[in-house]
Amino acid sequence: EIVLTQSPGTLSLSPGERATLSCRASQSVSSSYLVWYQQKPGQAPRLLIYGASSRATGIPDRFSGSGSGTDFTLTISRLEPEDFAVYYCQQHGPSRWTFGQGTKVEIK
Amino acid sequence: EVQLLESGGGLVQPGGSLRLSCAASGFTFSTYAMYWVRQAPGMGLEWVSTLGDNGASAYYADSVTGRFTIFRDTSKNTLFLQMNSLRVEDTAIYYCAKVGRDGHSVYYDYWGQGTLVTVSS
Repeated sequence: EIVLTQSPGTLSLSPGERATLSCRASQSVSSSYLVWYQQKPGQAPRLLIYGASSRATGIPDRFSGSGSGTDFTLTISRLEPEDFAVYYCQQHGPSRWTFGQGTKVEIK
Repeated sequence: EVQLLESGGGLVQPGGSLRLSCAASGFTFSTYAMYWVRQAPGMGLEWVSTLGDNGASAYYADSVTGRFTIFRDTSKNTLFLQMNSLRVEDTAIYYCAKVGRDGHSVYYDYWGQGTLVTVSS
C-alpha cells in the first residue's frame, strides 16, 4: 500500500503570504491519480486539484499543484482568509485509495 | 445540480449493525463509481470502500473487509453501506462521494455532507 506523508503538519501564516504544502509518497504515484482536497471545520472535503496540477471547476488560480513521482506540492500563492483550512492529498492505487494525514494552514 | 445525501447514522453498540444510505441526484447514478470515506473525530480522511460503475466491482479497506458491504439500488439512485460487527474504532463521520474523471485523471468531485456513526456501549 502506498503511504502518503504530508508536511508540515501545521503551517502558521498570515493572510497574503505564500503557502507551500508537501505530499511525499512511499513509492511512485501516477500524476494522473494525485489529488488535493480542502476541508473546513464541519464541512465535507472540497476538490481543489486533480491530476497533480489541474484546478477543479471554480478553484481560484492562486491554488496550484505540481510534482511527479514521489514528491508533490500544493502552493497557495497569496493566502486569503477563506483559505485557512486543512488540506489533504490523495492517491488512487490499484483497487484502493489512500489519503495523507493532512496539513492544517492556520492564521499566524 | 449534483446532490448526495447520506442518512442512517446513529449510536450502536459494539458488535451491532447499521446500514448507511446515500441518495444521489443530478447525474446518471448507474454509470458512475461511488465511494465511502470516513473521518474519525478530530482525525484525517480514510477511504472505506468503492463500488465500480458496473455496480458489481467492490473494494474495501483492510480495516473493514469482511464486515462492511457496499451496494446500490439504481431504481432508487441510492448507494448503501451495510456495516456489521461494528467496533469502537468505526466511530466516524461517513461520507459518500462520486467519481469524477478527466482524461486519465480520477478524483472525487462531489461529496455528501456526511452522517455520524458512533459505536459505544
